[in-house]
Amino acid sequence: GQSLEQPSEVTAVEGAIVQINCTYQTSGFYGLSWYQQHDGGAPTFLSYNALDGLEETGRFSSFLSRSDSYGYLLLQELQMKDSASYFCAVRFPRRGADGLTFGKGTHLIIQP
Amino acid sequence: DAGVTQSPTHLIKTRGQQVTLRCSPKSGHDTVSWYQQALGQGPQFIFQYYEEEERQRGNFPDRFSGHQFPNYSSELNVNALLLGDSALYLCASSSPGLAGGQETQYFGPGTRLLVL
Repeated sequence: GQSLEQPSEVTAVEGAIVQINCTYQTSGFYGLSWYQQHDGGAPTFLSYNALDGLEETGRFSSFLSRSDSYGYLLLQELQMKDSASYFCAVRFPRRGADGLTFGKGTHLIIQP
Repeated sequence: DAGVTQSPTHLIKTRGQQVTLRCSPKSGHDTVSWYQQALGQGPQFIFQYYEEEERQRGNFPDRFSGHQFPNYSSELNVNALLLGDSALYLCASSSPGLAGGQETQYFGPGTRLLVL
């Protein structure tokens, strides 16, 4: 089956670094994406790993290892506004269409 | 540059009724995907429209149907509503021809549907 596993909740301190993991039991996907969603808001795109390795975008970095069926999102210099839910997602090539399969999300709590 | 817009923002229906939700994609995007997000869960893919045709469908019954218009806007229709259809319905737009491709999907604010 196609499933992505994430921790349901992570707590971190303002200014610190936090890593949100995503493991999957699936194959044949294009790459791993990460989305952020604040309470009551829409998911917004953060990062995408098409290949194994690290992608860096400002305070956010994402990593993918297909051989380990594992990826993570790294958030540095945490700010209170980073409190949100974070979802990993994959896209499966089928008939050329591109729906995303999301994990259940990780609720990140930032403490002062 | 307008982002993805959806209407209405909130909706209350009763079991058995039918509902139509609307979405306008981000300027320059030609592909619209619909997702259902239950409370505390990740979005679940319903279907995707491109060139006015349904290209891919998730694991949702035929009660869920859609349409895409020539201007790329889209509608999601749900018939014979069940209590379990209560959720946030998200529309996302993308374009395979643009940088970031289909991984960079732009989501609208969603329509929160409550079925009583």
